[in-house]
Amino acid sequence: QSVLTQPPSVSGAPGQRVTISCTGTSSNIGAGYDVHWYQQLPGTAPKLLIYGNNNRPSGVPDRFSGSKSGTSASLAITGLQAEDEADYYCQSYDSSLSGYVFGTGTKVTVL
Amino acid sequence: QITLKESGPTLVKPTQTLTLTCTFSGFSLNTSGVGVGWIRQPPGKALEWLTLIHWNDDQRYSPSLKSRLTITKDTSKNQVVLTMTNMDPVDTATYYCAHRHRYVYYFDYWGQGTLVTVSS
Repeated sequence: QSVLTQPPSVSGAPGQRVTISCTGTSSNIGAGYDVHWYQQLPGTAPKLLIYGNNNRPSGVPDRFSGSKSGTSASLAITGLQAEDEADYYCQSYDSSLSGYVFGTGTKVTVL
Repeated sequence: QITLKESGPTLVKPTQTLTLTCTFSGFSLNTSGVGVGWIRQPPGKALEWLTLIHWNDDQRYSPSLKSRLTITKDTSKNQVVLTMTNMDPVDTATYYCAHRHRYVYYFDYWGQGTLVTVSS
């Protein structure tokens, strides 16, 4: 049911940089709709992490950054920390569905 | 400070109708551009957007579930109600309500979620 595709998992050692891709189509990301990212810590509700492709809400560390190009987007985490271990979801809007679409989700593991 | 909280049954039987209420504070659904949506997450699976209601009562539904969903609002009570008919075990999930900021396409505040199990 997920319209946006993400890798199931990524991992890295503390201090490393990891990236998560989010691939869409010409009716969502490729149509110019912004991409947003959510962090979901174990057992908790999703939390807005990045909005409008590359903007961080107040309180989100600048270790998190986003980018978008064509029909894809990416989330980068630099200086990986143990507390970053969570599931991450991208989200956009789809004109053909006239609704909001989420990614398949990526589990980040800190080695 | 915006807060949202979901309430409703934790267990429903197959074929029954589910009714969930989202009670919110810190914003008004009378404010132009604001919306409240429902998103669900089956255990161990991804998030799935279900529906959203706008300040002007415009309602949007996921095409795959549109025939089973109804969303309404009561601005005097600061509540949004989700109704889903003909529940099935595959509808077992945590259901979240979330605030959509003015004229944007993302959810900036989420409720804690409520787990609904569908079983006989």
